[in-house]
Formats: sequence, structure tokens, C-alpha cells
Amino acid sequence: GAGVSQSPSNKVTEKGKDVELRCDPISGHTALYWYRQSLGQGLEFLIYFQGNSAPDKSGLPSDRFSAERTGGSVSTLTIQRTQQEDSAVYLCASTPEGYGYTFGSGTRLTVV
Amino acid sequence: KQEVTQIPAALSVPEGENLVLNCSFTDSAIYNLQWFRQDPGKGLTSLLLIQSSQREQTSGRLNASLDKSSGRSTLYIAASQPGDSATYLCAVNRGGGGADGLTFGKGTHLIIQP
Repeated sequence: GAGVSQSPSNKVTEKGKDVELRCDPISGHTALYWYRQSLGQGLEFLIYFQGNSAPDKSGLPSDRFSAERTGGSVSTLTIQRTQQEDSAVYLCASTPEGYGYTFGSGTRLTVV
Repeated sequence: KQEVTQIPAALSVPEGENLVLNCSFTDSAIYNLQWFRQDPGKGLTSLLLIQSSQREQTSGRLNASLDKSSGRSTLYIAASQPGDSATYLCAVNRGGGGADGLTFGKGTHLIIQP
């Protein structure tokens, strides 16, 4: 597609449930990033993929968070046993490295 | 470690004014610098990308400059409109990916009064 697509755009889930967020990057973009933005806060780096591998997982907040990328394309971010502090906007970006980053519209996650 | 600072943190001006948003960074070894706009609860929209070899980029009423040696960039908005109200983020890309690949400032929250 023309841009980075994220789904769902909004997700409300009960505390303790698992959620899966999807990111479809721009075709041919080798690098993919996940960021989190809590209300009124800056962007928090979560994980970075180069192709299908994730050389930098340093930003994942806990072992409840995991991510994968298949075929050098779609990525999913999974949060297990969600907690209220997981409520945030989750943003995905892709880049052909060394050039500009293109962000998706984000997934607004609300844990109730 | 790269640090990006944006000044002012917030700005409120009447419609029609020209304004300048400032961004400074501590490490001049960058690939490029990107200005984004973020509307409340939304994702980031790329406004302008300046490669490290460039001095400025223009798009419509927006002009961004880059002085890599002094670690500064400015975003100039001409003839501001209420629709320009948003948070403007500056981000520097050092290349190489990872947590430090792209470093953001905390943004300037801009309000254009009709």
C-alpha cells in the first residue's frame, strides 16, 4: 500500500486478556519500528526489526510483550495479560534505512 | 547519547502570524532530520525530511533548515492557520537502526487562535 497500515485503530480490552496489534509496512521498507505513546508523553521505543530479525528488543517493557515479523513485511505486537498501564497509542513506522520514517495512524489501546 | 531539545514547549499565536519552531541536537553525526506533525490521539505525519548534506527543505507554507555543524534545525511556518494547531516533533536519524536510530524531541505544542 501507499502508507503504513495499522489495525485495529482502536481496541478496548479487559484487564488480563491478550491483544494482538498489526502493522503492515510500506512494501520494500526493510526496517520496522514499534513505539508506544502514553497520554501526554513522548514516544517510547519498543522494538526494531531489520528484515525479520529483531536486533534490538531493549525497549520492550516486560516479558508480557513480544513481537514478530514475517516475510520481511507484516509485524504483530502481542501483549499478554494486559494491564491498565498498557493503555496507550501504539505506533508503527517503517523506513528504507537512511531515509525518512513513515508512521502509521496507530492503535489506541484501552485496558479496562 | 543523542539528545534532542525543542523550544518552545508550547506556543499560542493569532492566526496569520509567521512563526519559528526550534530544534537542537547534541551529536552532529546524523543521516537526516525529520519534522513531524501529530494531532491529538493520532499518529505522526511527516512534514519535511532534510538529509545531512542539505541545508533546507520547503513544502508549501513550511520551510525547514538544518545547520548540522551547530546542531540546529528550525521549522518556519508562514501565514499560520487554525488548522496548523498540533504538536510538532523534531527527530534526528543517526542511521543503523535500533533504539537510538531515531531520537525525538518532546515536541512543541502549537495553538493558532482564530
